[in-house]
Amino acid sequence: GQQLNQSPQSMFIQEGEDVSMNCTSSSIFNTWLWYKQDPGEGPVLLIALYKAGELTSNGRLTAQFGITRKDSFLNISASIPSDVGIYFCAGPRNFGNEKLTFGTGTRLTIIP
Amino acid sequence: GAVVSQHPSWVICKSGTSVKIECRSLDFQATTMFWYRQFPKQSLMLMATSNEGSKATYEQGVEKDKFLINHASLTLSTLTVTSAHPEDSSFYICSATPPYAIEWNQPQHFGDGTRLSIL
Repeated sequence: GQQLNQSPQSMFIQEGEDVSMNCTSSSIFNTWLWYKQDPGEGPVLLIALYKAGELTSNGRLTAQFGITRKDSFLNISASIPSDVGIYFCAGPRNFGNEKLTFGTGTRLTIIP
Repeated sequence: GAVVSQHPSWVICKSGTSVKIECRSLDFQATTMFWYRQFPKQSLMLMATSNEGSKATYEQGVEKDKFLINHASLTLSTLTVTSAHPEDSSFYICSATPPYAIEWNQPQHFGDGTRLSIL
């Protein structure tokens, strides 16, 4: 079945640093979603991407839909303490809004 | 915006007990809701699709007799973990999509999850 692999698995950075993470798939996705999950809570949508090559920003976050439709990237600029959490990419198994496959996650930790 | 609510947020019970978790769409009607399970330090895995007025569809490897799903109304889906055992301890999360979001291909909204601990 479809698998979404995220890299890196974890990151330890200092406040103010920029962050880059990516998500790759063995198959094509028509939509890429990026979520953030805080401990003990459900995932919250950060950015949704719908077109190959699309570059979308949400504040300090920027995500891109890879041209091959098999990957996506998320960048966070000037990280702050509240950026700590787990970031998941996700994609619907079929076109539209149905069942989501989630990536393996990237855990972001900010070192004081 | 659209909100999905889960109850309870946390439950601890003895092995062999059945536990019911509720998922509600607070300001929209949802004909479809999804149930996910997340083990510690792992990703979310889809368990089943809850369909209003009809049977739920389960993902491969998920026991339908173990995880009973009822979607009796357009705003409520329940997941009952029957005869729960320690290995069922996990974080259970539901999601739903408002009708307008479906039309605009907008993503699902997730509840805050229910942490289930079986002793």
